[in-house]
Amino acid sequence: ETGVTQSPTHLIKTRGQQVTLRCSSQSGHNTVSWYQQALGQGPQFIFQYYREEENGRGNFPPRFSGLQFPNYSSELNVNALELDDSALYLCASSTSGPGDTQYFGPGTRLTVL
Amino acid sequence: KNEVEQSPQNLTAQEGEFITINCSYSVGISALHWLQQHPGGGIVSLFMLSSGKKKHGRLIATINIQEKHSSLHITASHPRDSAVYICAVILLYSGGGADGLTFGKGTHLIIQP
Repeated sequence: ETGVTQSPTHLIKTRGQQVTLRCSSQSGHNTVSWYQQALGQGPQFIFQYYREEENGRGNFPPRFSGLQFPNYSSELNVNALELDDSALYLCASSTSGPGDTQYFGPGTRLTVL
Repeated sequence: KNEVEQSPQNLTAQEGEFITINCSYSVGISALHWLQQHPGGGIVSLFMLSSGKKKHGRLIATINIQEKHSSLHITASHPRDSAVYICAVILLYSGGGADGLTFGKGTHLIIQP
């Protein structure tokens, strides 16, 4: 039990639609990172938020966007869904970034048809 | 070529065996994480290392920064250790911002009774 929750657990969307995934971190965890994990692969870094500002981004297009809120919750939004967006989406929180112990949520499994 | 390589990709062993999983990386890092991922997606942080060795119960992690190599050892392995073990690094980054973690593809470990 990491104290990090994600919703929904599973989601099915069709190509072109938009989706919002949610993550709730532990109190005091000012940093949240989002990762995309395709089947059989390691997670890939999407972006990181620190105190409600994006402070780092991986190699993902602008249709992947996020928000972080003062109550330690955060969102990942994906517009214009593509088939290749089907993956497990993980959030990880920590007090100040990847140099700290990371607390991962259970993930949201997104399927795009 | 991946910046983080793990070996073996798959490992099946008998209960009680001593297990070694290796991680090599090709870039400068500031720290390395060992993570455990169970079926269904949940990821648990096992260790974070920047030098030397850490031990927690039956798990031991070592890192050699000069050789760009880390190992995770499991002593007296048990079927409940069956999981995917993932090595992830924090890249040294001089441009500002944050890069999140860079992951290996994972080692799928099965411990048979």
